[in-house]
Amino acid sequence: EVQLVQSGAEVKKPGESLKISCKGSGYSFTSYWIGWVRQMPGKGLEWMGIIYPGDSDTRYSPSFQGQVTISADKSISTAYLQWSSLKASDTAMYYCARGSSTSPRSEVDVWGKGTTVTVSS
Amino acid sequence: QSVLTQPPSASGTPGQRVTISCSGSSSNIGSNTVNWYQQLPGTAPKLLIYSNNQRPSGVPDRFSGSKSGTSASLAISGLQSEDEADYYCAAWDDSLNHVFGTGTKVTVL
Repeated sequence: EVQLVQSGAEVKKPGESLKISCKGSGYSFTSYWIGWVRQMPGKGLEWMGIIYPGDSDTRYSPSFQGQVTISADKSISTAYLQWSSLKASDTAMYYCARGSSTSPRSEVDVWGKGTTVTVSS
Repeated sequence: QSVLTQPPSASGTPGQRVTISCSGSSSNIGSNTVNWYQQLPGTAPKLLIYSNNQRPSGVPDRFSGSKSGTSASLAISGLQSEDEADYYCAAWDDSLNHVFGTGTKVTVL
């Protein structure tokens, strides 16, 4: 069974750093794009960026470029989303999702359950 | 950031047909395929339709998608109570990476 297992909920203070994870299983992790999606409380879905773990080719949405870093460690089939200095406005649910094996343009077909990030002083 | 516009809400009684529109531009829907996602309350989104009109395995054929020019639509026929959810269209935008629609909340009356 194809699965994406995300790390647990986080509560952080403004200015702190954070790295959340998304571990893939049941498929060839290095051969499929992995995307990250933000959902702020009560709001819609926002695409953050996408990475190809095989060669770490990464594409950011303009709104998130420079705000977060997307990475992957193919030796442990895990993708990451990280912040160097959190803001209260980063409070949201973050989902990872598996994309295509051929193109970053295609649909995402498997989603993780999400990681809740709360940033509050 | 949403460049795909959807109506905020749609509703129908059980058994009715509901249609959700998704309006974009030449840089997204006009030149790329459209996907639809269903998000049930308190859960992660789920792929409902891909490549404009294809259903993944396990998605009932009550759900159908179509695309024309820079717009797309999702139809739910034979509406059921378990269809009450948020629905999002999505497409690749040649300038912006993936983009999602604004989302439509479907209510079963």
